[in-house]
Amino acid sequence: EVQLVQSGAEVKKPGESLKISCEGSGYTFSKYWIAWVRQMPGKGLEWMGIIHPGDSDSRYSPSFQGQVTFSADKSFSTAYLQWSSLKASDTAMYYCAKTASGVEPDAFDIWGQGTMVTVSS
Amino acid sequence: QLALTQPPSASASLGASVNLTCSLSSGHSRYAIAWHQQQPEKGLRYLMKVNNDGSHSKGDGIPERFSGSSSGAERYLTISSLQSEDETDYYCQTWGTGIQWVFGGGTKLTVL
Repeated sequence: EVQLVQSGAEVKKPGESLKISCEGSGYTFSKYWIAWVRQMPGKGLEWMGIIHPGDSDSRYSPSFQGQVTFSADKSFSTAYLQWSSLKASDTAMYYCAKTASGVEPDAFDIWGQGTMVTVSS
Repeated sequence: QLALTQPPSASASLGASVNLTCSLSSGHSRYAIAWHQQQPEKGLRYLMKVNNDGSHSKGDGIPERFSGSSSGAERYLTISSLQSEDETDYYCQTWGTGIQWVFGGGTKLTVL
């Protein structure tokens, strides 16, 4: 079974750093892009950017450029999303998703279960 | 600019059919889109990809009562034999050749 399993919920204070993970299984992890998507409380989905685990080529949505960093370790079939200094406005559910194609932009066909990040003093 | 527009809400009766609409921005009428369902307490689920010719390919395990179609810049998700569990939010998604992905604002479906 193809699946993405994300790390558990986090509660952090403003200014703290954080790294959450997304582990793939059931497919060749290094061949498909992994996207990160934010959903703020009561709001819709926002595409943050995407990383190719094969070579760690990363592309960021302009709204998130400089705010977060993507990384991947293909030996562990895991992608990461990290913040160096969290803000209260980063409070949201974060999803990872896999593209259906490994060679061209395509739909997201598998989703992780989501990681809730709460930033509060 | 690549964008998707969805009506914020839709409703239909239990056992009936409903069409959810996703509109592509001007100049992007030939783009494919995908439909996703937000399952309460379960997260997001990929339903299907809908091409500009109306053909669609569904995700694993998606029931036959879910189908997709297309007309011009409009893409549709049809759910027939509505069940109470279908009452949730639905999002459309598209992607550009320049490594860009976009979501619609989502439609909240109410089953009456």
